[in-house]
Amino acid sequence: RKEVEQDPGPFNVPEGATVAFNCTYSNSASQSFFWYRQDCRKEPKLLMSVYSSGNEDGRFTAQLNRASQYISLLIRDSKLSDSATYLCVVNPHSNYQLIWGAGTKLIIKP
Amino acid sequence: DTAVSQTPKYLVTQMGNDKSIKCEQNLGHDTMYWYKQDSKKFLKIMFSYNNKELIINETVPNRFSPKSPDKAHLNLHINSLELGDSAVYFCASSLLAGGPVYEQYFGPGTRLTVT
Repeated sequence: RKEVEQDPGPFNVPEGATVAFNCTYSNSASQSFFWYRQDCRKEPKLLMSVYSSGNEDGRFTAQLNRASQYISLLIRDSKLSDSATYLCVVNPHSNYQLIWGAGTKLIIKP
Repeated sequence: DTAVSQTPKYLVTQMGNDKSIKCEQNLGHDTMYWYKQDSKKFLKIMFSYNNKELIINETVPNRFSPKSPDKAHLNLHINSLELGDSAVYFCASSLLAGGPVYEQYFGPGTRLTVT
């Protein structure tokens, strides 16, 4: 089992719809969780950290389910500009390293 | 102001050559990283330095040699380039300062093509 797994997609979603995707992680002792966004031919950029109690930033909601070892990202009222690859990132051992998922590609269509 | 910068942005070179990529951050971070992102878009950590000390050294051919002259700079030298080295190389930085792993900030990437 990979340390961090994501559905690669692509998810083709009409503008204005709500879309959600999950990411599973294998190490139950994982400490920190993040969602990054990567546009085509650009660098990854932090979208949001994921807190134990769940957190929201505008149209974006992130949740952590420690029992089932997954994190989720929900995007409401999707915009064309949300089209990107969303990378799930986990810090498994509270050391220096982050483990990156392969990303979920999201395409928002007009 | 550019937070994490890399040079060059594009690098096209022939097999067997030696090349270097430079990275600088002005965020005051204490830790810097090199990642490789291949054609399948998977991001793989190669090296990391914390306060000029090597802390992550993944299984990478010894043709790749990182060097950190100070906390704000991390360079990557590659000897005897091979076709399989073609990829995008990202530099990143973060602030560890003895705490949990904080978010990383990435440079724009160096697109290396070996012919």
